[in-house]
Amino acid sequence: EPEVTQTPSHQVTQMGQEVILRCVPISNHLYFYWYRQILGQKVEFLVSFYNNEISEKSEIFDDQFSVERPDGSNFTLKIRSTKLEDSAMYFCASSDGGSQETQYFGPGTRLLVL
Amino acid sequence: DQQVKQNSPSLSVQEGRISILNCDYTNSMFDYFLWYKKYPAEGPTFLISISSIKDKNEDGRFTVFLNKSAKHLSLHIVPSQPGDSAVYFCAASVVSSNTGKLIFGQGTTLQVKP
Repeated sequence: EPEVTQTPSHQVTQMGQEVILRCVPISNHLYFYWYRQILGQKVEFLVSFYNNEISEKSEIFDDQFSVERPDGSNFTLKIRSTKLEDSAMYFCASSDGGSQETQYFGPGTRLLVL
Repeated sequence: DQQVKQNSPSLSVQEGRISILNCDYTNSMFDYFLWYKKYPAEGPTFLISISSIKDKNEDGRFTVFLNKSAKHLSLHIVPSQPGDSAVYFCAASVVSSNTGKLIFGQGTTLQVKP
């Protein structure tokens, strides 16, 4: 069964450093998402991406964040200058439609900012 | 801004009995609702969804009920099995936005005892 994959599974970085989280969505999906879950809190929407552009972003998704689909298979989330509060589990998801289509989630990348 | 709330952080039931997980929402624009299950160190896995034009959707042991006037939905698992032990998240979206953004509740940890 097709699945969303994410690399790395864990990332430790120093505050102020740039990180890139990578995702390979399900191959025929057209809609891509990033969510995050800070330890002990709810899963929060960060951004949705369709047709090579952001379709919606949350207030969390400030200028430090960017997303890119550099080729036909990868979808990346970049944090330019990490802060302590960026420590969280980051989930990528994809779907073959917009709303009312099931989003399939990857296993997540645990980011720890020291 | 808790638009989707799961007021019970945990629930414990005996194997074979019914598990009922509850979810309330405040945004009347929400018209599509989903339940996800999450095991530790994994991403959320889709379980079942319901559109606001329905009040019930069933898939095997899982049934979701929607009460729009009360802005309440519930997930029934019958019969419960030990493998159902996980964190359950309800999520909601606004279909007309067509961005797929999901708003999640805080989650309920279900423990099914053998």
